[in-house]
Amino acid sequence: QVHLVQSGAEVRKPGASVKLSCEASGYTFTTYYLHWVRQAPGQGLEWMGVINPSGDSATSAQRFQGRVTMTWDTSTRTVFMDLSSLTSEDTAVYYCARASNRFDYWGQGTLVTVSS
Amino acid sequence: DVQMTQSPSSLSASVGDRVTITCRASQGISNYLAWFQQKPGKAPKSLIYGASTLQSGVPSKFSGSGSGTDFTLTISSLQPEDSATYYCQQYKTYPITFGQGTRLEIK
Repeated sequence: QVHLVQSGAEVRKPGASVKLSCEASGYTFTTYYLHWVRQAPGQGLEWMGVINPSGDSATSAQRFQGRVTMTWDTSTRTVFMDLSSLTSEDTAVYYCARASNRFDYWGQGTLVTVSS
Repeated sequence: DVQMTQSPSSLSASVGDRVTITCRASQGISNYLAWFQQKPGKAPKSLIYGASTLQSGVPSKFSGSGSGTDFTLTISSLQPEDSATYYCQQYKTYPITFGQGTRLEIK
């Protein structure tokens, strides 16, 4: 059974960075993409980027380029997203989601709160 | 970027009703269109992909149609548990984009 288990809630001050993780299980890790999607309080879904573990590549949305770093560790079947220069507008729930081309399974989400 | 526009932004319906949600893409996306259901405090759940194919385990009361720029999600025989926000998503090109969501209330 496929599971995506994300790391716990984080609180950061403005200007800081946060590194989130998403551990995959129940399938062959390198045969699917893993996406990051966030949702600000009361708002819609916003795509941030995608990791292709087999292609050794990561692509992020233009608005996050320079601030987001996506990495992965095949040995632990875990993907990571590092978001820097945080502002209050980065307060959101961050989800990872598995995809071939279409999304199917989602992680439970990680709440990141940015507050002074 | 492909803009996705959903309508209505919210709707209210009764148990047993059938409702339709519309999603329009700013440019043609063939059938690279998915629908998600999200309940408060929960992760989105994948309902439909390829515009009309149900994800495994999703009941047949959900159906999707469309191609190109215009798509619909229809939910029949509404039950209280269908109360949620529904999002469309295009996955033809990066950046992947979502509609703004449609909040469905069951009276």
